[in-house]
Amino acid sequence: DVKVTQSSRYLVKRTGEKVFLECVQDMDHENMFWYRQDPGLGLRLIYFSYDVKMKEKGDIPEGYSVSREKKERFSLILESASTNQTSMYLCASSLGTAANEKLFFGSGTQLSVL
Amino acid sequence: EDQVTQSPEALRLQEGESSSLNCSYTVSGLRGLFWYRQDPGKGPEFLFTLYSAGEEKEKERLKATLTKKESFLHITAPKPEDSATYLCAVNTGANSKLTFGKGITLSVRP
Repeated sequence: DVKVTQSSRYLVKRTGEKVFLECVQDMDHENMFWYRQDPGLGLRLIYFSYDVKMKEKGDIPEGYSVSREKKERFSLILESASTNQTSMYLCASSLGTAANEKLFFGSGTQLSVL
Repeated sequence: EDQVTQSPEALRLQEGESSSLNCSYTVSGLRGLFWYRQDPGKGPEFLFTLYSAGEEKEKERLKATLTKKESFLHITAPKPEDSATYLCAVNTGANSKLTFGKGITLSVRP
């Protein structure tokens, strides 16, 4: 089975800190995604990547950046964390770029910004 | 703009009481509709993909159907272990990027 591993299950950070969320997949998938999930709002796409060093903005990229230096690893960066970035962050990967490719998700990182 | 609406927001069933979850969508061109299950504290887990109106897929007590405007996830004789949040998502582009609905939280009482 595909495994998508997120480095932290829970994180607590202070306002203004730089925060790194790490995600690793073990199945040589081309695509990787970062979503955030909030009660009443569902999952919203932040950024995605189709290849190493390639990235594209999703629906809510403001306040975030990403890095993909290796195929298996996709990092989400909060340059200066704010309280409205408190959320559950979910990383996902998919094999290719076809529209029928299902996403495999990690278990999520619950980030609290105080 | 693509929109996905799921209803009801929450559903409570007695064990064995069959029901359906609804996902309606407004998109420019549907390339695939996906159903996922999410347990508390976990990431979503893939259930089904549907591509064209009239298509149906089944897995144990779950059956997903698709029309040109909506999809239903039918749950037959549910058990407490079916309790979870069920997410619907659509793909309208030439890639695997998904737009999700807000989810339906299902609780099945013994």
